[in-house]
Amino acid sequence: AQKVTQAQTEISVVEKEDVTLDCVYETRDTTYYLFWYKQPPSGELVFLIRRNSFDEQNEISGRYSWNFQKSTSSFNFTITASQVVDSAVYFCALSDTGNQFYFGTGTSLTVIP
Amino acid sequence: DSGVTQTPKHLITATGQRVTLRCSPRSGDLSVYWYQQSLDQGLQFLIQYYNGEERAKGNILERFSAQQFPDLHSELNLSSLELGDSALYFCASSGDPYRGPNQPQHFGDGTRLSIL
Repeated sequence: AQKVTQAQTEISVVEKEDVTLDCVYETRDTTYYLFWYKQPPSGELVFLIRRNSFDEQNEISGRYSWNFQKSTSSFNFTITASQVVDSAVYFCALSDTGNQFYFGTGTSLTVIP
Repeated sequence: DSGVTQTPKHLITATGQRVTLRCSPRSGDLSVYWYQQSLDQGLQFLIQYYNGEERAKGNILERFSAQQFPDLHSELNLSSLELGDSALYFCASSGDPYRGPNQPQHFGDGTRLSIL
């Protein structure tokens, strides 16, 4: 069965600290896609990244970076030099060969000024 | 502005009723996804359409149905509503996500459905 686990329910950091959000997934498919989404306090959902299972290259986008490791079934998300605007709930998700999506329960990040 | 339009923004109705949520995808996007976010169930994938055809089905109840029309807008129909159907319903659109890497999903602002 497909499953996404975000063990960190809530994280608080002080502004400018680095923070890593963990995501562990389970799937028997060899082809799958992993996603991260951001949901700020205003409620909208923002797509951050999509990664396919054959591409283990880490990705960096500004202060955001993602570490995909198939060996540990993890797709972790790091925010460098966090800012107050990064405060949000972050969701990790898995899409399988059946095109279904499975979401983690989300990690609520609070960045304290 | 994501380019995805969802209407209405808020909907209040009673148990047993039927409602229709509408989504207009971003210009050029062929895929439409529907998600439900509730306190009990978290964020759940309901259904995906691609160019008018159903592509994937998630945790969508039999009381719920959806379709994508030739102009690519989509409607989610919820019937025999129960208190537990109160949730935020999101629509998202993308190009064909399996033609290339990192096809972004563009989300609407959601429809907040409250069942009294």
